Amino acid sequence: NAGVTQTPKFQVLKTGQSMTLQCAQDMNHEYMSWYRQDPGMGLRLIHYSVGAGITDQGEVPNGYNVSRSTTEDFPLRLLSAAPSQTSVYFCASSYSERTGTAAFFGQGTRLTVV
Amino acid sequence: KNQVEQSPQSLIILEGKNCTLQCNYTVSPFSNLRWYKQDTGRGPVSLTIMTFSENTKSNGRYTATLDADTKQSSLHITASQLSDSASYICVVSAYTSGTYKYIFGTGTRLKVLA
Repeated sequence: NAGVTQTPKFQVLKTGQSMTLQCAQDMNHEYMSWYRQDPGMGLRLIHYSVGAGITDQGEVPNGYNVSRSTTEDFPLRLLSAAPSQTSVYFCASSYSERTGTAAFFGQGTRLTVV
Repeated sequence: KNQVEQSPQSLIILEGKNCTLQCNYTVSPFSNLRWYKQDTGRGPVSLTIMTFSENTKSNGRYTATLDADTKQSSLHITASQLSDSASYICVVSAYTSGTYKYIFGTGTRLKVLA
């Protein structure tokens, strides 16, 4: 049982490049979300999804896109990377939104934009 | 404004000692409160979750308490071990306008010394 799998673990991008952070879960969870974690700040919600085909914006959505074509996958796309997007990104999933905060987190992707 | 404040910011204790971490929140309407443990370079792992009606929840050597009247929670770690060295994050969720909002604290960084 892999849980929540994120790839890649590390990435360096140049300003203006685009890329997709992958997230997959094998627990048949309906609720998936993306967070960023910056030093001295709590995790902040970027986008979330309550099921396949349904996504919504979180607290800091600008510069990011998501889609949810299947229950398992929830990729996060950076459209045109900026140094302000240097952060650690976490994908999370839970059985449903009603269970409260995301129960399972991935290992994280450390992104550096130069 | 919805806020979650944790104290202390960091803490150093000797192996075998007990410690208590604090979480104060001003989140409304309150749905639930969860404590996470985050090892360096890893994603957060859920320790406990408490709803409004629960005032104590244990998970092994971890015991969380909740006082919904004073909007305070604490996480007590008994007989600390070296593996308890990590950041501990308090997260409060609010249910409003049909969606859940999750407010993360910035965490307490615990170091357990041999």
